[in-house]
Amino acid sequence: GAGVSQSPSNKVTEKGKDVELRCDPISGHTALYWYRQSLGQGLEFLIYFQGNSAPDKSGLPSDRFSAERTGGSVSTLTIQRTQQEDSAVYLCASSLSPGPDTQYFGPGTRLTVL
Amino acid sequence: DAKTTQPPSMDCAEGRAANLPCNHSTISGNEYVYWYRQIHSQGPQYIIHGLKNNETNEMASLIITEDRKSSTLILPHATLRDTAVYYCIVRASGVTNAGKSTFGDGTTLTVKP
Repeated sequence: GAGVSQSPSNKVTEKGKDVELRCDPISGHTALYWYRQSLGQGLEFLIYFQGNSAPDKSGLPSDRFSAERTGGSVSTLTIQRTQQEDSAVYLCASSLSPGPDTQYFGPGTRLTVL
Repeated sequence: DAKTTQPPSMDCAEGRAANLPCNHSTISGNEYVYWYRQIHSQGPQYIIHGLKNNETNEMASLIITEDRKSSTLILPHATLRDTAVYYCIVRASGVTNAGKSTFGDGTTLTVKP
């Protein structure tokens, strides 16, 4: 079956612009996660959704970052007024349910802020 | 979530077993040990997870010490395609904690011919 998909695969933007990153989780997976991976670094947790609600937003680095999930499926991560330090690979993962269930990762969106 | 520590890099000869250690000395009772790997330019791939018992699947074996403060991922017959960064993480169970998976810097495993 289809895995987690993300779009776009690459995004180049100018400093100060807003960007939207999209994640399509595996069908039927109720839990969805966003991570950020800077060059040569491990994964940094950003936000987690259970259904449409986000019980844990603690990882969002600033109020320029927001995310939503509608219909318990697709999620959008929005970064407003992008900064150069926002450049990273943004990874989305989903799991059948929260807790210890296996997370399946998408290929990521590489964001470059010039 | 408990922090994990892993060696930054390891080499392994092709066809031999690769043993990747991980320390998680502050792990709590409801935290699972997970292993993922990331091949260059791809998203992380799930390998195996466990709570307290040793686990084995088609990819690897996971050995967790009795005190749960450390674990070892074993790739029984490493191939060149196993060259990747391997992440050991611990995750709490429960809805409110489910998202907090702290990925460290991982171990870069290089399998050599």
